[in-house]
Amino acid sequence: DAGVIQSPRHEVTEMGQEVTLRCKPISGHNSLFWYRQTMMRGLELLIYFNNNVPIDDSGMPEDRFSAKMPNASFSTLKIQPSEPRDSAVYFCASCLGINRGTDTQYFGPGTRLTVL
Amino acid sequence: ILNVEQSPQSLHVQEGDSTNFTCSFPSSNFYALHWYRWETAKSPEALFVMTLNGDEKKKGRISATLNTKEGYSYLYIKGSQPEDSATYLCASLFGNEKLTFGTGTRLTIIP
Repeated sequence: DAGVIQSPRHEVTEMGQEVTLRCKPISGHNSLFWYRQTMMRGLELLIYFNNNVPIDDSGMPEDRFSAKMPNASFSTLKIQPSEPRDSAVYFCASCLGINRGTDTQYFGPGTRLTVL
Repeated sequence: ILNVEQSPQSLHVQEGDSTNFTCSFPSSNFYALHWYRWETAKSPEALFVMTLNGDEKKKGRISATLNTKEGYSYLYIKGSQPEDSATYLCASLFGNEKLTFGTGTRLTIIP
């Protein structure tokens, strides 16, 4: 299995532009998570999906952030408009979803976003 | 806010020595504890998931224990090797909601 796939790996954009991050979870995994990693706050959960349905988006910073999961093999995280404080590494992770509490989460390689 | 705390923040250990570090979490409504190993420029990799008080898990030279009553877990590395250099993250789950991560212990093994 290729593992969790994220694209792009690096993104540099200017303030005000729309940014779309993409994730393909491991085939057969029913839960998908978007995390953001910053120096100040460490690794924090933004949103997670179970069977393509958003379950908890309380970690999404503000309305500029949105996430979708149109099918079991694809999810996007969109920032519109982007701001310099959004600069971070964004990770996608997936797990089987049988028991989200004890399932091992498998992380993608991350997307390093820089907003100038 | 549920705080998961790790100590120390960073650690330098001589190759061949053994070491350990701590993850502390609120003991109320505890559901599970996860340990991850995170190498620079890579993604976090799962080491252990533990749920029961007194749990002890082992993978090679790395082991972990769990005390849910007092709210802590220890990660032990025996006979440290340079390839053990990484950040070790713990994450706790309360009421089967979502993982709350600590900020990690950055371990550097000195050859």
